[in-house]
Amino acid sequence: QSALTQPASVSGSPGQSITISCTGTSSDVGGYNYVSWYQQHPGKAPKLMIYEVSNRPSGVPDRFSGSKSGNTASLTISGLQAEDEADYYCSSYTSSSTQVFGTGTKVTVL
Amino acid sequence: EVQLVESGGGLVKPGGSLRLSCAASGFTFSSYSMNWVRQAPGKGLEWVSSISSSSSYIYYADSVKGRFTISRDNAKNSLYLQMNSLRAEDTAVYYCARAPDGDYWGQGTLVTVSS
Repeated sequence: QSALTQPASVSGSPGQSITISCTGTSSDVGGYNYVSWYQQHPGKAPKLMIYEVSNRPSGVPDRFSGSKSGNTASLTISGLQAEDEADYYCSSYTSSSTQVFGTGTKVTVL
Repeated sequence: EVQLVESGGGLVKPGGSLRLSCAASGFTFSSYSMNWVRQAPGKGLEWVSSISSSSSYIYYADSVKGRFTISRDNAKNSLYLQMNSLRAEDTAVYYCARAPDGDYWGQGTLVTVSS
């Protein structure tokens, strides 16, 4: 199972919007609405930000939103804030009943 | 409050074995599938294994199939990962996470495979 493809890095100024892509295949991202996004700060455990493509868990700011088109899912952070600087990973359920993560994206707030 | 606490990590020689545990509290453990996820130093997340609530369904990543065994004891609210024939490339922080969405994660336990 190959990792989902994410850009290595994305950056933006405070207040701007950024979008992180997550590209898979019809056997994972494109075939199921079970895409999640995680935020990870250095030395910390991952934190769920989006589940089932576009749902936000309680407590996650509405600046974070998710979507999907075909084999590509996206995470958008609107009104970028300093505390959003972190690594972000997507993940998807697969046709083999397994889970696959993305390669990870480092978000830098300029 | 939901809590997941991993333990059992440490330094082991190549070819050795280690058993990780994950103690769950604050939710009905027996109702949820669980995952093990690992992260090698400076690298990304890698799904390792999952187990359904009643242990009926178990899945492994190709990288650990035949060497690792996931199990659970619902009476003890505990998840386990038996790791055999360990290799240097298994060196990582191992997390347990509640499935299916990974809404709760433990703090991780470090496994180092080195001679």
